[in-house]
Amino acid sequence: GNSVTQMEGPVTLSEEAFLTINCTYTATGYPSLFWYVQYPGEGLQLLLKATKADDKGSNKGFEATYRKETTSFHLEKGSVQVSDSAVYFCALRKETSGSRLTFGEGTQLTVNP
Amino acid sequence: DGGITQSPKYLFRKEGQNVTLSCEQNLNHDAMYWYRQDPGQGLRLIYYSQIVNDFQKGDIAEGYSVSREKKESFPLTVTSAQKNPTAFYLCASSYDRGSYNEQFFGPGTRLTVL
Repeated sequence: GNSVTQMEGPVTLSEEAFLTINCTYTATGYPSLFWYVQYPGEGLQLLLKATKADDKGSNKGFEATYRKETTSFHLEKGSVQVSDSAVYFCALRKETSGSRLTFGEGTQLTVNP
Repeated sequence: DGGITQSPKYLFRKEGQNVTLSCEQNLNHDAMYWYRQDPGQGLRLIYYSQIVNDFQKGDIAEGYSVSREKKESFPLTVTSAQKNPTAFYLCASSYDRGSYNEQFFGPGTRLTVL
């Protein structure tokens, strides 16, 4: 079946540090890949997405590249801010499953001033 | 403004009582979803509905029930059969086909069973 594995958290960084949150997936075919962000006490917001191999999704300084050969979709940001503190979820959608998503476990990020 | 609303934000119930969580969307989305979130476990799908008057079980449907009588509404009932109902519940909606079918989430309801 489909699955998404994220790096274990929590991750703690200082402001302006470089961020990488690893995400790998297991799925047949060509799934679409997503990163969602959840700020404390809120629902999830779509951060970025990629729908085919080698696509790069980007938003608010975050980037992730769909790597078919390594089945990965790692999230990166060159310089994090305190306001980036949140939980980040990687997710996939199979082309045959409509809009149903499979989520990873989430990675808690804390950025200190 | 278009969006998804969930009410209430916090809900307290006594053990053994059924409770219904509200989810409404005005985005004209076809599909709606209910997730449960527990610390360290990510999101788990409870039920989803792709069209009015039809819904399917997700990964953890036991102890829950839903209805989809209107396109805009997808209420979730947590029954007394749910062994550990205290959790954060998230509702989402999306178009069901095409490229623009990412899910949009409501703000969540935190249910505490005393």
